[in-house]
Amino acid sequence: DAGITQSPRHKVTETGTPVTLRCHQTENHRYMYWYRQDPGHGLRLIHYSYGVKDTDKGEVSDGYSVSRSKTEDFLLTLESATSSQTSVYFCAISEANTIYFGEGSWLTVV
Amino acid sequence: GQQLNQSPQSMFIQEGEDVSMNCTSSSIFNTWLWYKQDPGEGPVLLIALYKAGELTSNGRLTAQFGITRKDSFLNISASIPSDVGIYFCAGPPLTGANNLFFGTGTRLTVIP
Repeated sequence: DAGITQSPRHKVTETGTPVTLRCHQTENHRYMYWYRQDPGHGLRLIHYSYGVKDTDKGEVSDGYSVSRSKTEDFLLTLESATSSQTSVYFCAISEANTIYFGEGSWLTVV
Repeated sequence: GQQLNQSPQSMFIQEGEDVSMNCTSSSIFNTWLWYKQDPGEGPVLLIALYKAGELTSNGRLTAQFGITRKDSFLNISASIPSDVGIYFCAGPPLTGANNLFFGTGTRLTVIP
């Protein structure tokens, strides 16, 4: 257990609405990540953070923004959700050169 | 991103059988990681490999870091029903960026 909590765990939203997913960690890890998981694509990195207010883009960052105002929280925002953003979103932290994942947030955009 | 190819994509085996799966890349890695994902859960780290040729075990699981540094293998001995899930290989880019590239997974079904 890497002390990662994701919220909400499940959400259904309408196309065009903003959505924010929250990742909370309790162990003061410097690196935090947001991945999405889709059939046939495995896990793909959206954005990551290497410290408070320090973030960078991953492989599939278009349509997403992130913020990290506190060490323990890393927020993923979909400014205007689209159906292609229906996916499972995983937050992760890095420790000892390996990555540990949260339990996931299931997002459906209708 | 770097492409990691896993095979097979899916496997159906009888309980008690041994399982082998592999992961290949067109470029080299310095670290190979193997994860397992149960339905409705996040991936959980099984084994980490840090050196070419390394062979590491975790219970009934054994993984090897290929000597070419472009592949890795995971073996499961005497499979049991709770081995069901999706197994992913992963590795960090050589650029040193603190993230991982993932394979597309091998889905394992164990028939009791």
